[in-house]
Amino acid sequence: DGGITQSPKYLFRKEGQNVTLSCEQNLNHDAMYWYRQDPGQGLRLIYYSQIVNDFQKGDIAEGYSVSREKKESFPLTVTSAQKNPTAFYLCASTGMMVGDGYTFGSGTRLTVV
Amino acid sequence: GQQVMQIPQYQHVQEGEDFTTYCNSSTTLSNIQWYKQRPGGHPVFLIQLVKSGEVKKQKRLTFQFGEAKKNSSLHITATQTTDVGTYFCAAANAGGTSYGKLTFGQGTILTVHP
Repeated sequence: DGGITQSPKYLFRKEGQNVTLSCEQNLNHDAMYWYRQDPGQGLRLIYYSQIVNDFQKGDIAEGYSVSREKKESFPLTVTSAQKNPTAFYLCASTGMMVGDGYTFGSGTRLTVV
Repeated sequence: GQQVMQIPQYQHVQEGEDFTTYCNSSTTLSNIQWYKQRPGGHPVFLIQLVKSGEVKKQKRLTFQFGEAKKNSSLHITATQTTDVGTYFCAAANAGGTSYGKLTFGQGTILTVHP
């Protein structure tokens, strides 16, 4: 079955550590996105990529980094510069057909300990 | 950046009552999408509206896109406990060059009491 896989499901980070969240899709989608979800604030865009080897900052990119070396993969690194990283992180992808919505992964819940 | 306002933030209904959530933008939208997120889950795409004044139905759900393409609504008739979750609108700005980039509303959390 085609889909989008995020791992791990839960992640604990110590202060000052960088952590990388994985996102893999086998839907042959060109565009991929990272969103952060906090209670009562909806989804906020961190980074997005519409083509391999290219990506753009979203609304809250500070303290995060991404890469897009393969079409299928769009990992997100939460760096130590991100002051409040505890959140639910959602990866999504979409195709180029009219009417295509986002397909979301099941998310990674990151907690700073 | 673009902002999309969604109201209400919370809605509690008795099973069988109707429910409506509204989404508003100050700018003209290219299209608007609606998603549902069950508690503990991830958002799932419901529908996309593109045309001015468009109305689409999915069983008990009715989606509307305003004539000016600046607002949208989702109406659920005779809610059921399976309708529980957070409903998000997500908008693409007209004239935008970033394909597929969406701005999400804050969501409406729907609780249905049996």
